[in-house]
Amino acid sequence: NAGVMQNPRHLVRRRGQEARLRCSPMKGHSHVYWYRQLPEEGLKFMVYLQKENIIDESGMPKERFSAEFPKEGPSILRIQQVVRGDSAAYFCASSPGTVINSPLHFGNGTRLTVT
Amino acid sequence: GIQVEQSPPDLILQEGANSTLRCNFSDSVNNLQWFHQNPWGQLINLFYIPSGTKQNGRLSATTVATERYSLLYISSSQTTDSGVYFCAVRADKLIFGTGTRLQVFP
Repeated sequence: NAGVMQNPRHLVRRRGQEARLRCSPMKGHSHVYWYRQLPEEGLKFMVYLQKENIIDESGMPKERFSAEFPKEGPSILRIQQVVRGDSAAYFCASSPGTVINSPLHFGNGTRLTVT
Repeated sequence: GIQVEQSPPDLILQEGANSTLRCNFSDSVNNLQWFHQNPWGQLINLFYIPSGTKQNGRLSATTVATERYSLLYISSSQTTDSGVYFCAVRADKLIFGTGTRLQVFP
């Protein structure tokens, strides 16, 4: 069983460019969560999605950030007009269905560097 | 929201030593997980332990949900145990603690 797959592993963008981060959940998992980890800090919740629906985006900045999880294909976290403060590791996790009493499985993350 | 505190924030050990890491949380939770983030940044699932005790090799964990804390025990530590240990609790979403940074020296 493949785990949660994230790509790219590393992404370098210049200020003002767009960053697109992809996450394929584990097989059979229809719920995806995105987290951000700033250097030397813990992971902070950003957004929780089910197929074609955003369930909770309370941790996502209101501007420049968006997320989607289409019916087909991976979940995408999109950051427009990146700034240096967006440099961080972005982790994706997945879980099966709406059962909350189950562990989350994390991918290896995408490390975004904004120059 | 739920507050998750971990202690100690930093821990330095010599190889072979034992240690206990603590996680306190401020409200009832449905789920608690322990993770190890290795020096390459990968998050490794250690335990899913909403209550009770589990063991996996040199690691074991105990969660006392009614008293809102969990403990992670590392015995006979090795240099490969170095990294940051996070506990994370879940009511509606998974909330991470601030972590314990462990350094194990030979």
